[in-house]
Order: sequence, then structure tokens, then C-alpha cells
Amino acid sequence: GQQVMQIPQYQHVQEGEDFTTYCNSSTTLSNIQWYKQRPGGHPVFLIQLVKSGEVKKQKRLTFQFGEAKKNSSLHITATQTTDVGTYFCAGLSSGAGSYQLTFGKGTKLSVIP
Amino acid sequence: NAGVTQTPKFQVLKTGQSMTLQCAQDMNHEYMSWYRQDPGMGLRLIHYSVGAGITDQGEVPNGYNVSRSTTEDFPLRLLSAAPSQTSVYFCASSTRGRDSPLHFGNGTRLTVT
Repeated sequence: GQQVMQIPQYQHVQEGEDFTTYCNSSTTLSNIQWYKQRPGGHPVFLIQLVKSGEVKKQKRLTFQFGEAKKNSSLHITATQTTDVGTYFCAGLSSGAGSYQLTFGKGTKLSVIP
Repeated sequence: NAGVTQTPKFQVLKTGQSMTLQCAQDMNHEYMSWYRQDPGMGLRLIHYSVGAGITDQGEVPNGYNVSRSTTEDFPLRLLSAAPSQTSVYFCASSTRGRDSPLHFGNGTRLTVT
């Protein structure tokens, strides 16, 4: 079945440093979604990428979808303590008339003030 | 606007007991789903529903039952709780299905002793 690998599993950064998490799929994706989960909270939708090579920005966050639609990344510029949490990617693949959304295991970001 | 409401927030069960986790949404979403989240495992799909009267199995359905008698409600039943079902359970809904953003509830933390 479809596998979505996310690295790194953990990342500790000093406040102000940049942070990147990577997502790789074993199959070509229809789209990819990114979620953020604060400690003790629930996943919250951040963005969805659909097109090959797509790049979207939300303030200090930059999301990219690979040309082959098999990988994606989330980059945070100048991290702040409010960025703390676990970031998940979720890849949507289609086949035989059905969709499968597979979550990566997440990257847990700690920001040292 | 309440969004997705899950009850209870916490539950402790003994092995062999049964219970129902409640999920309700007030956004008129057709798609609803249940995930479990375990440390280092990400989010795994248990069951989902694309509309009232329609349910299907996800990645880890064993030991769980669901029904969807109304658009708003999607309860998850544990038939005979086992320690392996200790987890955090999230209900999520979306407008169209897995190709649209998921709205998660606050979660239910379940411990089976």
C-alpha cells in the first residue's frame, strides 16, 4: 500500500533559526495536505497542494510540492515559540476509483527561546 | 459554530468493557472519519463514511464498529476493549471527502487497563 515517509522525526531549533520537514511518498500523489498539531491539541489544516511544482506561502511558512508529485516540504523561516508542535503531511493517492489519504508520522518541532 | 465535537474527552476502561465514542459535526459535512493516534505512529484511519447510511473500513478497523444514521453523527463503538486500543481518538470531517481539508475534533484519550 501507499507509504508516506516524513523526516526528521524530531527537530530542536533555537528561536530565529529556520526549520524544514520533508515528506516522501512511494506513489504519485493527487494532492498533499499539511497539518499542525500543538502539544495536547488536535491536528489543524494548514494548506493543500495540488499542482506539480506548486509553491505556496503563508507568512513565514513555505510549502512545496515536487515536480513528480511524490514529495513535499514545509519550510519555516525564523522560527518562533508559537511554531512549536508536530507537523504532519498527508498524501492523497487515487486508484481503482477510490482515494486513500495517508498521513506521515509527523515531525515534532521544539523551539528553544 | 461548534465544528466537530467529541465526547468524552477522557475515558478509562477495563479489558472486555464496551463503550461508544461520540462525534458530531454541525457543518453539514458529508465525509466523516475516525483516526487513532499512537506515539510515533502518526494518524491511522479506523473507519470512514461518505454520507448517511454508508460506512467503510480504513487501515485499522478490527475491534471497532461504526454507523452513520444521520449526517451529523458518527459514533465509534469499541465492542470489547483491549489494552492495544489505548490511544487518542480523533474524529474528522470534510465537505467532499479525503481530497478536501479535514476538520478534527478535540480528541478522546482512552486508556484500557
